[in-house]
Amino acid sequence: EVLLVESGGDLVQPGGSLRLSCAASGFTFSTYWMHWVRQAPGKGLVWVSRINGDGSSTTYADSVKGRFTISRDNSKNTLHLQMNSLRVEDTGVFFCVRGTNRWSGVDYWGQGALVTVSS
Amino acid sequence: DIVMTQTPLSSPVTLGQPASISCRSSQSLVSSDGNTNLNWLQQRPGQPPRLLIYKISNRFSGVPDRFSGSGAGTDFTLKISRVEAEDVGVYYCMQTTQLPHTFGQGTKLEIK
Repeated sequence: EVLLVESGGDLVQPGGSLRLSCAASGFTFSTYWMHWVRQAPGKGLVWVSRINGDGSSTTYADSVKGRFTISRDNSKNTLHLQMNSLRVEDTGVFFCVRGTNRWSGVDYWGQGALVTVSS
Repeated sequence: DIVMTQTPLSSPVTLGQPASISCRSSQSLVSSDGNTNLNWLQQRPGQPPRLLIYKISNRFSGVPDRFSGSGAGTDFTLKISRVEAEDVGVYYCMQTTQLPHTFGQGTKLEIK
């Protein structure tokens, strides 16, 4: 069974930093692209970033470029999102999402980690 | 960025009756390999999103056959043949043809 469990969500002040983690199990983690998707409270879904299986290729939404860094530790089956210079508008639930190997897309989603940016 | 537009934004449906949601993209979703990467997601209240349909019309693992997808190019439809109580939630279309991946605004399905 594919399982994605996020952690690290917290309340942080504007300008602060936070690191999210996603523990993956039930599949060969190193062979899959992984993504982060954000959902502001009561709002829709926004794609944030993705990383390839060996960590050599990353892409970001323009809204987080230069502030967020996606990375992975394949020895620990863990995905990370380092978030710096946080803004109020970054508030939301961050979902860890698995990319597919059989078609261009995503399939399994984690339960999410809540990040609140507020003074 | 590709803009995804869903209609309606809210859909009250009677149990056992069909439901339909439309999604239009601002440009063609046909990728260079010939595939059309249009997906449908379901988000039940208090839950994370769940993949229902990929590449327009393929049901993901464990998805009931009352869910079906159709369309081509820039116009797509999700249909539920007979709505059940567990189908209540918000449905999103999502394109994964081009980065950044983008989502529709969501359609709230509720029971009359």
